[in-house]
Amino acid sequence: KQEVTQIPAALSVPEGENLVLNCSFTDSAIYNLQWFRQDHGKGLTSLLLIQSSQREQTSGRLNASLDKSSGRSTLYIAASQPGDSATYLCAVPQGAQKLVFGQGTRLTINP
Amino acid sequence: GAVVSQHPSRVICKSGTSVKIECRSLDFQATTMFWYRQFPKQSLMLMATSNEGSKATYEQGVEKDKFLINHASLTLSTLTVTSAHPEDSSFYICSARGGLSTSYEQYFGPGTRLTVT
Repeated sequence: KQEVTQIPAALSVPEGENLVLNCSFTDSAIYNLQWFRQDHGKGLTSLLLIQSSQREQTSGRLNASLDKSSGRSTLYIAASQPGDSATYLCAVPQGAQKLVFGQGTRLTINP
Repeated sequence: GAVVSQHPSRVICKSGTSVKIECRSLDFQATTMFWYRQFPKQSLMLMATSNEGSKATYEQGVEKDKFLINHASLTLSTLTVTSAHPEDSSFYICSARGGLSTSYEQYFGPGTRLTVT
């Protein structure tokens, strides 16, 4: 059974800082890994999807890496802004259908 | 592309009544749709997986007679909460995946906030 863990559970940093969010998973036989953003009371916005054959993906100030062998992924956010404040979730498929989510990291960027 | 909508975004109903939530894929055909439930400050919990034209597969512990799922077309799935109780109050999110997707990527709707009084 796949289990996904995110550390830290919450993070508060001043605006402008670079930061790293961590995600680990127990079963390395994954098709891909996704990072999502969820604003309070809202649905999920997909940020990045890394295929199992890839090591990283970049979108603007976001960079996600994947190390399947160690069961880890990181989401790097450069030059953080108050608008980046949200909960960040990582998820991996279990089999071909089900997505297993981590508990999320609640990020607060202070102006 | 790959937009998923949900309706309604918020609903308040009285205990004992039934509520239907719609999930639509707007610009692609969704052969598979998923329904999740999220409690405050918790992560998403998969309730069921539905494939177009067949019965939904429910996760362990989810009452299929209480949470009725219908995936009658390639663009629409519905979740009906029957005989709702206050403990059913939650945030319900659907997602959809296209039949041609080889990346297993799911696209999520904006969610529906259900409050049962």
